[in-house]
Amino acid sequence: GAVVSQHPSWVICKSGTSVKIECRSLDFQATTMFWYRQFPKQSLMLMATSNEGSKATYEQGVEKDKFLINHASLTLSTLTVTSAHPEDSSFYICSASRGGDGYTFGSGTRLTVV
Amino acid sequence: QKEVEQNSGPLSVPEGAIASLNCTYSDRGSQSFFWYRQYSGKSPELIMFIYSNGDKEDGRFTAQLNKASQYVSLLIRDSQPSDSATYLCAVNFPGANNLFFGTGTRLTVIP
Repeated sequence: GAVVSQHPSWVICKSGTSVKIECRSLDFQATTMFWYRQFPKQSLMLMATSNEGSKATYEQGVEKDKFLINHASLTLSTLTVTSAHPEDSSFYICSASRGGDGYTFGSGTRLTVV
Repeated sequence: QKEVEQNSGPLSVPEGAIASLNCTYSDRGSQSFFWYRQYSGKSPELIMFIYSNGDKEDGRFTAQLNKASQYVSLLIRDSQPSDSATYLCAVNFPGANNLFFGTGTRLTVIP
């Protein structure tokens, strides 16, 4: 149990375009999902906390207008990187919790902006 | 300030040896502690979690928690080359529902 599916696993886009990443909890309902970003050889940095039916809570320094998060249902959260630039190239990972026994991660999305 | 500290390594151990990974955290009131393994280019996968002081064993893995010292460790017995990865310590700080991660310790098991 506790499977989180993330899609796509990798994407290459042109500078200035937008990219949407989906995160689904397949066998449980996730009222809260988390979006992380990880640069090479660095740890995971929390970008935002996504709450079902309400606005996401962004960490300091993360532009909410650039990283749009939608959590429309208990099993789906999306992250849209708008007007992507090369410095947005990173590994984006979502996570969800059933509560109590840990947080399950999606498989991650490798974004490359050219 | 919420901090999770790990020795970045790299830590190298011979196959069959015990690998010991350490982590300290800043908030004495923290209750939940997690160890994740991350292979290069992959997302983290949960190894185990621990809530109570003492040891918790799961197969070749043992997590040790000392809340008084704000210290949590992971022991890997009979290390295998497939254990070579980055190990992330994560803490659920009071009042937060997300995890805070250390920078990870890179482990290499030498055949």
